[in-house]
Amino acid sequence: DSGVTQTPKHLITATGQRVTLRCSPRSGDLSVYWYQQSLDQGLQFLIQYYNGEERAKGNILERFSAQQFPDLHSELNLSSLELGDSALYFCASSVVTGSGNTEAFFGQGTRLTVV
Amino acid sequence: AQSVTQLGSHVSVSEGALVLLRCNYSSSVPPYLFWYVQYPNQGLQLLLKYTTGATLVKGINGFEAEFKKSETSFHLTKPSAHMSDAAEYFCAVSRLDTDKLIFGTGTRLQVFP
Repeated sequence: DSGVTQTPKHLITATGQRVTLRCSPRSGDLSVYWYQQSLDQGLQFLIQYYNGEERAKGNILERFSAQQFPDLHSELNLSSLELGDSALYFCASSVVTGSGNTEAFFGQGTRLTVV
Repeated sequence: AQSVTQLGSHVSVSEGALVLLRCNYSSSVPPYLFWYVQYPNQGLQLLLKYTTGATLVKGINGFEAEFKKSETSFHLTKPSAHMSDAAEYFCAVSRLDTDKLIFGTGTRLQVFP
């Protein structure tokens, strides 16, 4: 158990809908990352938050947004869903940021299926 | 820009045989290198990482990797495969000024009895 909790584990929704994925980081971790894992794109970094502020942005679509709340949990919002958004979405957390060699602890992921 | 190339999307070995998973990186600055393992229906778990110092890095479950700057490689090895090693393995790179990980496409390891 990594200590990172993601809910829900599975999500099935229709095209055009909006969903929210939730992540609770390990206790004490200030940094949260979101990754997307799909068959065609592999593991892609989406976005990073550190202590409530956006820290880094990757290949995140404009239809996607995220935030980190004062209690440090994070949510990833996916809207106007398309079939191609079906993927496994991982959240990871780490203690510090900016050092590059920080170990990130991954949750078990949310499997999103868009039908 | 940084990137990671994992040669071989599938590797099969017999139990007790040497495991060698290949990873080459591209980075304009000194990289930090990682190997993660993903078991079925689970998240990623760190096996080992290279930051600075000794180029031979030992990780969990008997795995090790050697950073070779001249070859821009960070191959993962284990002397003797175990059935429980069957999983997907990802090589990743980051750098000093960012924590985001750039992952390779992964190598699925199968271990046969």
